[in-house]
Amino acid sequence: DAGVIQSPRHEVTEMGQEVTLRCKPISGHNSLFWYRQTMMRGLELLIYFNNNVPIDDSGMPEDRFSAKMPNASFSTLKIQPSEPRDSAVYFCASSFPTDNTEAFFGQGTRLTVV
Amino acid sequence: LAKTTQPISMDSYEGQEVNITCSHNNIATNDYITWYQQFPSQGPRFIIQGYKTKVTNEVASLFIPADRKSSTLSLPRVSLSDTAVYYCLVGPPLNNAGNMLTFGGGTRLMVKP
Repeated sequence: DAGVIQSPRHEVTEMGQEVTLRCKPISGHNSLFWYRQTMMRGLELLIYFNNNVPIDDSGMPEDRFSAKMPNASFSTLKIQPSEPRDSAVYFCASSFPTDNTEAFFGQGTRLTVV
Repeated sequence: LAKTTQPISMDSYEGQEVNITCSHNNIATNDYITWYQQFPSQGPRFIIQGYKTKVTNEVASLFIPADRKSSTLSLPRVSLSDTAVYYCLVGPPLNNAGNMLTFGGGTRLMVKP
């Protein structure tokens, strides 16, 4: 398996534009996590899904952020409208439904909002 | 979720053994202790997980005392490539629906030549 695949790897956009980040989890994994990482705040859990259903989105900063998982092999994180303070690295991770499982992270998307 | 406390940073030299301790005083009965490693510009990577006593794999050892209120990640004979941030996580198994994976501040390990 190629691991968790995120796209794009880098995104530069202007303030006010819509940004969509994409994630393809590892096949067979039933949990998916979205994180944001900045120097100031570290790794923050934004939202996670279990069997394609959002379980906890309390980490989503505000209504400008939304996430979907239409099927087991695809998830999106959308920011509309984007702001400079949204600049960060966004990670997606997935895990397999067995005891004591580990989460596998993608390479991340580095978002810069100018 | 149990709160964890670990040193912000540590320095070491190549060839030394490095021990990073994590405190988790309010760990619950069904909580496991998991360590992740993150290199610059990469996502975190699972290193090791344990419940009690000692766990060892090809990368590290994890020591957990009987009261489970702390744990120590041991990296034998570190090299420059072990320079990374190490995160200690405490929580129930991920297979339980509704469980999250929450990271604290981590320990930034710098290995010097």
